[in-house]
Amino acid sequence: DIVLTQSPGTLSLSPGERATLSCRASQSVSSSFLAWYQQKPGQAPRLLIYGASTRATGIPGRFSGSGSGTDFTLTISRLEPEDFAVYYCQQYGSWGTFGQGTRLEIK
Amino acid sequence: QIQLVQSGAEVKKPGASVKVSCKTSGFTFTSYTISWVRQAPGQGLEWLGWIAADSGYSNYAQKLEGRGTMTTDTSTSTAYMELRSLRSDDTAVYFCARGSLFYCTTGVCYGPEDYWGQGTLVTVSS
Repeated sequence: DIVLTQSPGTLSLSPGERATLSCRASQSVSSSFLAWYQQKPGQAPRLLIYGASTRATGIPGRFSGSGSGTDFTLTISRLEPEDFAVYYCQQYGSWGTFGQGTRLEIK
Repeated sequence: QIQLVQSGAEVKKPGASVKVSCKTSGFTFTSYTISWVRQAPGQGLEWLGWIAADSGYSNYAQKLEGRGTMTTDTSTSTAYMELRSLRSDDTAVYFCARGSLFYCTTGVCYGPEDYWGQGTLVTVSS
């Protein structure tokens, strides 16, 4: 099974700053079947990025994804107050698995 | 609009079974997959499995150890997740979510979950 490891565990930044979140896979993720989700307390996850770099419908342009193989990155170019949440990467396709999450908190 | 509406909270004793439902509307149910994901209190997301709504083709997380069964009822556009031999560590919020269905190098694959249910809290306690 593919294991996804996210770093850092917690990221403390201020609104307006740039956030860079990492997701590393234990083996190559086929065809870049890698997605990113945002989750706020008490809510279901929200799909942000799929195919490693394609923004889902309605997702603002400040969110971008990159990477291939075993190393993937979610970048938020300029943090808005509503962006502070927990972010998960996910591998999908035949099977699924989630990373353990990165908590993005206000500094 | 697209909706996935899950059944209400459940309290079960260890060793019992639970069946969570996920009634969908606003899209062609048989053209998609339904995934199940759970989240224990204060913990991260755990993928449980997915099912193709039309064919019933499914894949499960090994961690379920054969205790879980996903089914669909195309006549009511509803998906179900049954979990048997419940343990205290099955206590979690269970989510259903819609995904795409496509063919990949390994056969049939599911896509990322773009619409989610509101979650169902299952509490296992003696």
